[in-house]
Amino acid sequence: DGGITQSPKYLFRKEGQNVTLSCEQNLNHDAMYWYRQDPGQGLRLIYYSQIVNDFQKGDIAEGYSVSREKKESFPLTVTSAQKNPTAFYLCASRSGLANYNEQFFGPGTRLTVL
Amino acid sequence: DAKTTQPPSMDCAEGRAANLPCNHSTISGNEYVYWYRQIHSQGPQYIIHGLKNNETNEMASLIITEDRKSSTLILPHATLRDTAVYYCIVRVSNAGGTSYGKLTFGQGTILTVHP
Repeated sequence: DGGITQSPKYLFRKEGQNVTLSCEQNLNHDAMYWYRQDPGQGLRLIYYSQIVNDFQKGDIAEGYSVSREKKESFPLTVTSAQKNPTAFYLCASRSGLANYNEQFFGPGTRLTVL
Repeated sequence: DAKTTQPPSMDCAEGRAANLPCNHSTISGNEYVYWYRQIHSQGPQYIIHGLKNNETNEMASLIITEDRKSSTLILPHATLRDTAVYYCIVRVSNAGGTSYGKLTFGQGTILTVHP
């Protein structure tokens, strides 16, 4: 089955630790995105990547880092510099060939900082 | 991207049509209306999109007013599994430009389908 997978589903981190969230897609999509969602709120864009080895900051990139070494993978690192990292993190992808903006989302990772 | 306004919550009886409104009075000529939904603790799911003509797919219908300042998402026969937050998003169709396909999600409408 084609789709987007995120792991782990739940993640607990001690304050001051870096943690990396995984996002993999086998849809052959060019573009990938990371969003953050806080309780009762909409999604906010952290980082996005249009092609391999290229990525851009979104609206709330401070305290986060990404890499795009392979087309199918777009991991997100939450660093100790992120002041309030507890949130629901969503990864999405979109075909570069699509003439409209349908994004496919993964199941999400819920990060809790203890 | 144009801003959208949606009611915070709506109820619907199972088997009846659910009509979810969205206002987007500042929409530009090249902006599309997209609808996504998010079931609790899951990733959002694309439903439908349109420019100015009404659209229908296996999930829903989208009715856009002639002046394009508002639209309605219709779930023709709502089921309990349609209980979710529904997001109306307005943006250009392609991924070019500085926004690179970013979707701006507001707070959406919480639709509760009850037996």
